[in-house]
Amino acid sequence: GAGVSQSPSNKVTEKGKDVELRCDPISGHTALYWYRQSLGQGLEFLIYFQGNSAPDKSGLPSDRFSAERTGGSVSTLTIQRTQQEDSAVYLCASSSQGRSGETQYFGPGTRLLVL
Amino acid sequence: QKEVEQNSGPLSVPEGAIASLNCTYSDRVSQSFFWYRQYSGKSPELIMSIYSNGDKEDGRFTAQLNKASQYVSLLIRDSQPSDSATYLCAVIRGSTLGRLYFGRGTQLTVWP
Repeated sequence: GAGVSQSPSNKVTEKGKDVELRCDPISGHTALYWYRQSLGQGLEFLIYFQGNSAPDKSGLPSDRFSAERTGGSVSTLTIQRTQQEDSAVYLCASSSQGRSGETQYFGPGTRLLVL
Repeated sequence: QKEVEQNSGPLSVPEGAIASLNCTYSDRVSQSFFWYRQYSGKSPELIMSIYSNGDKEDGRFTAQLNKASQYVSLLIRDSQPSDSATYLCAVIRGSTLGRLYFGRGTQLTVWP
């Protein structure tokens, strides 16, 4: 079956612009996660969705970052007024029900470069 | 102290050798432990999960968990050049269901 998909695969933007990153989880997966991977920082958690609600958004680095999920499926991560330090690979993952021990399956990521 | 720490590497082993990757974690009530492999420019893929003390074997891979020592390791037997990648240790802590805490990763190179 289809895995997690993300779009765009690459995004180059100018400092101060807004960007939207999209994630389409594995069909039927109720749990969805956003992570960010940047050089020297490793993989860091951003936000977790269970259905359409976000019980854990503690990893969002600033109020410029927001995310939503609609219909229990597609999620959008929005970064407003982008800064150069936002440059990273943004990874989305999904799991069946969000229970401890479940495998999280990662999408291919969106490479964001802020000039 | 970071939640998850891995031996810094990089690690280089000859083909056919055993590669040993180590990880420690800070939260004593952590429940679930994972090893992901990440090839350069690709996303992480799960290779092993382990939840209880002891060893878990899957083909050439063996994960070992010692909750008393807060230590988890991955052994790769008969290493192949195709095993060359970054290996990420990830933990689900007891208080934060679902969210993975990752180590910085250990870069492994297997030379022919």
